[in-house]
This record gives sequence, C-alpha cells and structure tokens, in this order.
Amino acid sequence: AQSVTQLDSHVSVSEGTPVLLRCNYSSSYSPSLFWYVQHPNKGLQLLLKYTSAATLVKGINGFEAEFKKSETSFHLTKPSAHMSDAAEYFCVANAGGTSYGKLTFGQGTILTVHP
Amino acid sequence: EPEVTQTPSHQVTQMGQEVILRCVPISNHLYFYWYRQILGQKVEFLVSFYNNEISEKSEIFDDQFSVERPDGSNFTLKIRSTKLEDSAMYFCASSGAHRGLREQYFGPGTRLTVT
Repeated sequence: AQSVTQLDSHVSVSEGTPVLLRCNYSSSYSPSLFWYVQHPNKGLQLLLKYTSAATLVKGINGFEAEFKKSETSFHLTKPSAHMSDAAEYFCVANAGGTSYGKLTFGQGTILTVHP
Repeated sequence: EPEVTQTPSHQVTQMGQEVILRCVPISNHLYFYWYRQILGQKVEFLVSFYNNEISEKSEIFDDQFSVERPDGSNFTLKIRSTKLEDSAMYFCASSGAHRGLREQYFGPGTRLTVT
C-alpha cells in the first residue's frame, strides 16, 4: 500500500523569505514522486518530479525538492517566496510496479505569501 | 503549450440524474485518467484508461461509473444515477506513458454539485 502525508495544511510566509512544504511517503515500491501546484480555477501544474535519478530535483519557478530515502521524505523548498507562489501544493506518488500510472495524493498544503 | 481541457466547469444536477463530464486530453497522449476531490478530502484516483479499455479502477469506481473515448479527442466520465456523495471536483488527466516515466497533465476540473 502507498500513502503520502503532507505535514502542514497551511503555511504562511512573508515575501522574500524561504518556503518549506513538507511531505512524507510510504510505498512498497521505489516510487516516483511529484509536486503539483494548483492556482485558483486552474488545473494542477507539475512543479517537479523525482524518478530515481538525482536526489535533488530542480523544478520550475525556483522550486526544488530533495528525496531522502532514509527519512522517506520529499520536502519542497524555495529560497525566496514571491507573491505569485500563493497556491495549493500537492505532493504526489506513483507506485510503479503493476500500477498503470495511478497517482496517490497528499492532502495538499495551502501556501499564503504576505507582502 | 498543449493543455487538458474539461467541460463544463460547474455542473449542478439532481440526485438520481445521469451526468457526463467531458475532457479533451493532450492530442498525442495515450493514457487517460479521472480523479476526484471531495471538499476537504484528498484527491482520489478513480480510473485509468488505455487502448480503449480500463487499465485500473479504484473501489470508488463502481457500476454507476463508466468511461468512454467516443472519438479521437474526447474522454468522458458518466455517472448513471448521481448520489449526494458524488458531489466533488472531478479532474481529468493524460500522459504519454505510465509507470512514472512521464508525468500526468491535469485539466482544471469540473465541480459537480448533486442536490
């Protein structure tokens, strides 16, 4: 069985300060892991993905995430928040194995950015 | 940039009625998915579809649900007799390959309200 846990339902930061959105996973297989972002009235947009190559993954808009197998974590970070980063972020896993691309979602973290 | 589109953006229906949610996946993609998110809950996998048949479905995807690719561009989700608990945001997604090798691209969602 596979599960994804996002440790914070809401994160609030000031513009220009670092962002940390936390995610832990459990999986019977070596998972592929993703972060998606959803702005209001928009679809889920892929930020970055980990597929067992480099453990530090860089994505769009200055975001990056580090896969730590020993901690079963895949936290999302950004050095300096921008107002346009305000959105909901989802940590997502793909089990691989016999699954035909089924994704398992975390519950989402709403990021608020204050001026 | 190609994107997944969904119509309608919001559908209101009465309990017991049939609804069809429509999606246009990215044109050269081969794998198609439906997910849903009940308000306040995680995004849940419903079904995956490849080569004109269901590849995998969740426990949620019972006999009331069906999917179809009626032509070369559309991918539909039908709920035969809606229940109050079917009220949710329904997301369509498509990908070029499965097993985590390619990411899934999501549409903006259809909000279904069953009264």
